[in-house]
Amino acid sequence: ELKVEQNPLFLSMQEGKNYTIYCNYSTTSDRLYWYRQDPGKSLESLFVLLSNGAVKQEGRLMASLDTKARLSTLHITAAVHDLSATYFCAVEADKLIFGTGTRLQVFP
Amino acid sequence: EAGVAQSPRYKIIEKRQSVAFWCNPISGHATLYWYQQILGQGPKLLIQFQNNGVVDDSQLPKDRFSAERLKGVDSTLKIQPAKLEDSAVYLCASSLEASGRNEQFFGPGTRLTVL
Repeated sequence: ELKVEQNPLFLSMQEGKNYTIYCNYSTTSDRLYWYRQDPGKSLESLFVLLSNGAVKQEGRLMASLDTKARLSTLHITAAVHDLSATYFCAVEADKLIFGTGTRLQVFP
Repeated sequence: EAGVAQSPRYKIIEKRQSVAFWCNPISGHATLYWYQQILGQGPKLLIQFQNNGVVDDSQLPKDRFSAERLKGVDSTLKIQPAKLEDSAVYLCASSLEASGRNEQFFGPGTRLTVL
């Protein structure tokens, strides 16, 4: 059974700092998604990574995929308060399997 | 383009009662999904429809949960009877092509509380 693990589970960071969220998965897949979820809200798609070595950037967020290592990263550059949310990675096998989520809190 | 619509947004029931949720996917999307998201966890797939046929219902507790997608458009998810552990957010999502290997777009969810 495909397992998707994220770390850290909780991240408290100061505005202006950089950090990386890691997503490890246990079986072969060439399609990985990153979603953002605000409290009480639904999931917002951030990135779709479709191949080994894929890198996508949007604003202060950059996502990458290494299918050989079964690892994706979500890098946050110069964090701002508006990035506070829970971030999920999801790996597609025969279905979409979500990670445990990383709750990010950015403080001044 | 209108997104995935769900109703109701919130529902509170007592255990052993029945409840139903409704989802209207994005127009033209062939594939529809129901997920259960328990507090503090990622969503878990309950059932996937391709048009009006079931593709995957392996994680649906069929003794109490049922779902249908009439005419390949709207869908309803029912729980009868509800248990305390069914308290969760129920998310509906849809994707464009019948293969299912396309980006999924999520609705706002229905938050169910079972007392």
